[in-house]
Amino acid sequence: DIQMTQSPSVLSASVGDRVTLNCKASQNINKYLNWYQQKLGEAPKLLIYNTNNLQTGIPSRFSGSGSGTDYTLTISSLQPEDVATYFCFQHNSWPTFGSGTKLEIK
Amino acid sequence: QVQLKESGPGLVQPSQTLSLTCTVSGLSLTSNSVSWIRQPPGKGLEWMGVIWSNGGTDYNSAIKSRLSISRDTSKSQVFLKMNSLQTEDTAMYFCARRGNLFDYWGQGVMVTVSS
Repeated sequence: DIQMTQSPSVLSASVGDRVTLNCKASQNINKYLNWYQQKLGEAPKLLIYNTNNLQTGIPSRFSGSGSGTDYTLTISSLQPEDVATYFCFQHNSWPTFGSGTKLEIK
Repeated sequence: QVQLKESGPGLVQPSQTLSLTCTVSGLSLTSNSVSWIRQPPGKGLEWMGVIWSNGGTDYNSAIKSRLSISRDTSKSQVFLKMNSLQTEDTAMYFCARRGNLFDYWGQGVMVTVSS
């Protein structure tokens, strides 16, 4: 199975900061990488699919990039409502999630 | 609009079988796949399996021997059955639309495995 490693596990940033979350696959996943946001007590929400496609209704401050084994979710200007845990997910082969990055406001 | 809702027992005894139902609305199961995903308390997400629009299924190899996913298209329901439950199966169980996208999720149902 493909292992997905997210870093950092916890990220603390200020409102308005540009924030970068990382996801590394144990092998090439051919850009079949999605990002989900999960707020406390809620189901996850799809943000980005296939590396860089913004899901309908998601603010444009969210963007994704990457290729091969290395992928990034960027929030261009952090907002208070972005406090959540973010998971990456690969579906190049048998699907696996990353362990998550918890994003906090300083 | 698209909605999914999980239902099932909140408490299951060890070694017993878990049965969950995902009832969908606003979508047809003959043209949409539905996945099951679970999340132990305070931990990450685990993809369990999917039933595709053609009725075919795929399962996580780690739990494949214990898991079965089926559906009743006339009732717009997808079923999960998992046997030989252990305490480590305690988790929130979610169903989600579309096999590799998960663009709509149910609210989840908490299942505790305990005697």
